[in-house]
Amino acid sequence: EAQVTQNPRYLITVTGKKLTVTCSQNMNHEYMSWYRQDPGLGLRQIYYSMNVEVTDKGDVPEGYKVSRKEKRNFPLILESPSPNQTSLYFCASSLSWGRGEPQHFGDGTRLSIL
Amino acid sequence: AQSVSQHNHHVILSEAASLELGCNYSYGGTVNLFWYVQYPGQHLQLLLKYFSGDPLVKGIKGFEAEFIKSKFSFNLRKPSVQWSDTAEYFCAVKWTVLSYNTDKLIFGTGTRLQVFP
Repeated sequence: EAQVTQNPRYLITVTGKKLTVTCSQNMNHEYMSWYRQDPGLGLRQIYYSMNVEVTDKGDVPEGYKVSRKEKRNFPLILESPSPNQTSLYFCASSLSWGRGEPQHFGDGTRLSIL
Repeated sequence: AQSVSQHNHHVILSEAASLELGCNYSYGGTVNLFWYVQYPGQHLQLLLKYFSGDPLVKGIKGFEAEFIKSKFSFNLRKPSVQWSDTAEYFCAVKWTVLSYNTDKLIFGTGTRLQVFP
């Protein structure tokens, strides 16, 4: 089954404790992206990746890192999480981005930073 | 900067009523337009998209949207809503303009639709 898998689905942690949210897709998609969803703000892009070893900042990259060492994986790293990063995070992928193919979304990861 | 506006933040309808949700975007240029739906507790799913050609686009579950280039709009419509359409709806736009980063997908802030039986 074609899917985008995020882990964990829920995480409560404390300020400053490094965490990684994994994202994996099994569709051989080139384009992957991370979003955060906050009430009243919709989805805002954090980082995206056009292909392996190619990443770029979205609209709200501060406090986040990503890597794309393999095509299928695109982890989101919070080196020193802070309470303002409490949010619902979505990973998404699409075949490519040149022709505006729609993105497939994961089920989301709800992070609470205390 | 590029932006996407959804003016209806919360819409409440009775079943069988007609629906129109507004979506406007800034700047011209070539655009790809999307409507996504997020049912309670679920991830976003694509409802429909416009890439080129016929500006009236039909999607899943009886939804359609019309791209009006002169108005920078891509409104979502459904002639008769059902209780199961209760969800949050997001408009998203990707621009192809040489002077801008064309690889970002900008989402609107969403419209929460509640349909009562």
